[in-house]
Amino acid sequence: KAGVTQTPRYLIKTRGQQVTLSCSPISGHRSVSWYQQTPGQGLQFLFEYFSETQRNKGNFPGRFSGRQFSNSRSEMNVSTLELGDSALYLCASSLEGTAGGIQYFGAGTRLSVL
Amino acid sequence: AQSVTQLDSHVSVSEGTPVLLRCNYSSSYSPSLFWYVQHPNKGLQLLLKYTSAATLVKGINGFEAEFKKSETSFHLTKPSAHMSDAAEYFCVVSDLAGANNLFFGTGTRLTVIP
Repeated sequence: KAGVTQTPRYLIKTRGQQVTLSCSPISGHRSVSWYQQTPGQGLQFLFEYFSETQRNKGNFPGRFSGRQFSNSRSEMNVSTLELGDSALYLCASSLEGTAGGIQYFGAGTRLSVL
Repeated sequence: AQSVTQLDSHVSVSEGTPVLLRCNYSSSYSPSLFWYVQHPNKGLQLLLKYTSAATLVKGINGFEAEFKKSETSFHLTKPSAHMSDAAEYFCVVSDLAGANNLFFGTGTRLTVIP
């Protein structure tokens, strides 16, 4: 079974632009979560989608948004990019998204904002 | 609220010697706890998970962790370090208030000296 796939692996953008990241979960998994990893703040939860609905959200500004499609694939969008948005963005999928369930992570998308 | 504290940001061991990575947790509930490993430029891989079935949890690659409620600890150990164990290790607690988001520790970088 294929793992979690994130595309693209690397992105370079400039301040003020917007960006869309994609995540394909493990087949059969219905929950997709997104995390931001930076040297200063570590790994932080962005949001979680389950059955095309955002079910939980972390403490990030509204410039960060996402969506999930009927096939469980998810996209994350960041508008009006700032230098501080440079980070590794990780996507994780889980079967049902129950608390305490195992989340499987993709390799991430490394975003650099210049 | 849930949180984890990893007591060492960096641990260095010689190949063939034991590994101990320390983690303390804080949780209002009986928590689900995880250890994940991240190799350079890779996503996070689950090492093991504690869910109250047994206090000593065995994971992949010879790692194990012991849940000690009285000490609120969940330390990760391995009897004999291998060069391939060099990576970043994260202690993680799951939000058991119904939401499927994870709270990560700040990570411990393990260096294995040949």
